Amino acid sequence: GENVEQHPSTLSVQEGDSAVIKCTYSDSASNYFPWYKQELGKRPQLIIDIRSNVGEKKDQRIAVTLNKTAKHFSLHITETQPEDSAVYFCAASMRGSNYKLTFGKGTLLTVNP
Amino acid sequence: GAVVSQHPSWVICKSGTSVKIECRSLDFQATTMFWYRQFPKQSLMLMATSNEGSKATYEQGVEKDKFLINHASLTLSTLTVTSAHPEDSSFYICSAFLYGTDTQYFGPGTRLTVL
Repeated sequence: GENVEQHPSTLSVQEGDSAVIKCTYSDSASNYFPWYKQELGKRPQLIIDIRSNVGEKKDQRIAVTLNKTAKHFSLHITETQPEDSAVYFCAASMRGSNYKLTFGKGTLLTVNP
Repeated sequence: GAVVSQHPSWVICKSGTSVKIECRSLDFQATTMFWYRQFPKQSLMLMATSNEGSKATYEQGVEKDKFLINHASLTLSTLTVTSAHPEDSSFYICSAFLYGTDTQYFGPGTRLTVL
């Protein structure tokens, strides 16, 4: 089955700096890669996603890049703010697998004011 | 749009009792829903895939007789934890799959504490 590795497990940045979280996946058939933000005790919320036919996607301060050949994808947050502090999860899925998501272990991002 | 609710948000029960958790898609129909379990400071662990009108598909190592799943309508899936024990205490989260988007939308979770 699919395996998703996520790094780093913790990331601390100063407000205004950029943050990058990286994930690798094992199954080349995976074709959908969402990123979720989860605040303590709350639900995971989709912040951005990318499909395998696209190399990069951007939404304001958040961007995701995908390298299918290397089987890795990354989340980029620019101009970080304290409210960006949360746990971020990457995931991968593919059609035909009943759309199951395989999650990475998460990255605790702390943005220091 | 794509709102998922979950009820109850928290529940405390005695060991040996059963607890039912409901997951509803409020503004879309979801033929497929998922149930996850999350321990503190850990990732989401998929327990089972719930398909409307058919039996749930359980992940390896998840006891189907202990975690009963029913998906009787296009907007409701339920998870019943039977004969609960303290080790079943956890944060249970459901998600509903929105066809056409490839996206799962999550409920707010249910905190289960078994005494």
